[in-house]
Amino acid sequence: EDQVTQSPEALRLQEGESSSLNCSYTVSGLRGLFWYRQDPGKGPEFLFTLYSAGEEKEKERLKATLTKKESFLHITAPKPEDSATYLCAVRMETSGSRLTFGEGTQLTVNP
Amino acid sequence: DGGITQSPKYLFRKEGQNVTLSCEQNLNHDAMYWYRQDPGQGLRLIYYSQIVNDFQKGDIAEGYSVSREKKESFPLTVTSAQKNPTAFYLCASRDRVLGSNQPQHFGDGTRLSIL
Repeated sequence: EDQVTQSPEALRLQEGESSSLNCSYTVSGLRGLFWYRQDPGKGPEFLFTLYSAGEEKEKERLKATLTKKESFLHITAPKPEDSATYLCAVRMETSGSRLTFGEGTQLTVNP
Repeated sequence: DGGITQSPKYLFRKEGQNVTLSCEQNLNHDAMYWYRQDPGQGLRLIYYSQIVNDFQKGDIAEGYSVSREKKESFPLTVTSAQKNPTAFYLCASRDRVLGSNQPQHFGDGTRLSIL
């Protein structure tokens, strides 16, 4: 069965304390992996798309990487405004444009 | 500004009542999607539409219905057959023209509760 698993479920960091969020997947024929940020009561905001193992993308304090089995979202020197739930989603060879979402990691950055 | 507008932001449903959630986009996107989000769970696909006058069931379509009469609009009806409708509903759209890996972009959701 195709699955997307995010860990940890929740993460608390101090401002400036770097860390990583994990998204592991067991799908056949990955065609794209997407990272989103979701603030409370809002819709997800698109961050990155990764297509192939070894690919990396960066945006401000965020860097996403992809291997054949998982993706990491690295957060360098986070600030309180980085607090949000981070979602990953995968598009599979057999699913057309449909995405399968993980359950998300709730990140809290304390000042 | 281009974007996706969902309304209302909050909606209350009485037992046995159908309610309709609105989703409008001015991004000129062909594809539109409806998801349901429950606490601690990932987004689950209800229905999606790739073009006007065509739509497909997602993973949890039972108790829901949609229409796609206009490119910019994709309303979702939560029928009385949906026994557990309390959730956060998200609408998304995607530009198919630029390729299959274009990301989905989301509205800010409608929170539906049972009275």
